[in-house]
Amino acid sequence: DGGITQSPKYLFRKEGQNVTLSCEQNLNHDAMYWYRQDPGQGLRLIYYSQIVNDFQKGDIAEGYSVSREKKESFPLTVTSAQKNPTAFYLCASTQQGAGGPLHFGNGTRLTVT
Amino acid sequence: DAKTTQPPSMDCAEGRAANLPCNHSTISGNEYVYWYRQIHSQGPQYIIHGLKNNETNEMASLIITEDRKSSTLILPHATLRDTAVYYCIVRAGGNEKLTFGTGTRLTIIP
Repeated sequence: DGGITQSPKYLFRKEGQNVTLSCEQNLNHDAMYWYRQDPGQGLRLIYYSQIVNDFQKGDIAEGYSVSREKKESFPLTVTSAQKNPTAFYLCASTQQGAGGPLHFGNGTRLTVT
Repeated sequence: DAKTTQPPSMDCAEGRAANLPCNHSTISGNEYVYWYRQIHSQGPQYIIHGLKNNETNEMASLIITEDRKSSTLILPHATLRDTAVYYCIVRAGGNEKLTFGTGTRLTIIP
């Protein structure tokens, strides 16, 4: 079945360490997104990519970095510069320009202590 | 993308129709209205979308006003499993910075 896979589901890190969250899709979608969600809050856009080797900052990009070397993969690195990294991270993808829905992964819950 | 406004929370009795409103008064002519829902600790699930005509699928109906400045998602016979946060967003194909608001927390009451 086609879909989006985020791994791992739970991730624990010590403060000061960089950590990379994985997002893979086999839907052949052009556009991919990373969102952050804090308890009781909505989704906030971190980065998005409309095409391979290109990406744009979202609303809360500080302390995060991404790469898009392959169409199917859009990893997110949470750097030590991110002041409050503990959150639920969601990856999504969609077909560019087709007016179709976003497909979401099931998220990675990152805890930094 | 245009912004949307939704009530923060709503209750609905089990078996009744749940009507969730969304205001998108600055929507552009080429922007679609999308609805998603999120059950706790899962990724949001796509429900339905439309441009200007009313739409219906196996999950819900979407009613868009003639001026397209607001819409209503209708869950015709709500069940306890419909308890979730519902998000309304607007999106134009090709303008891909997609932002979400805080949604409506719908609670279905037995």
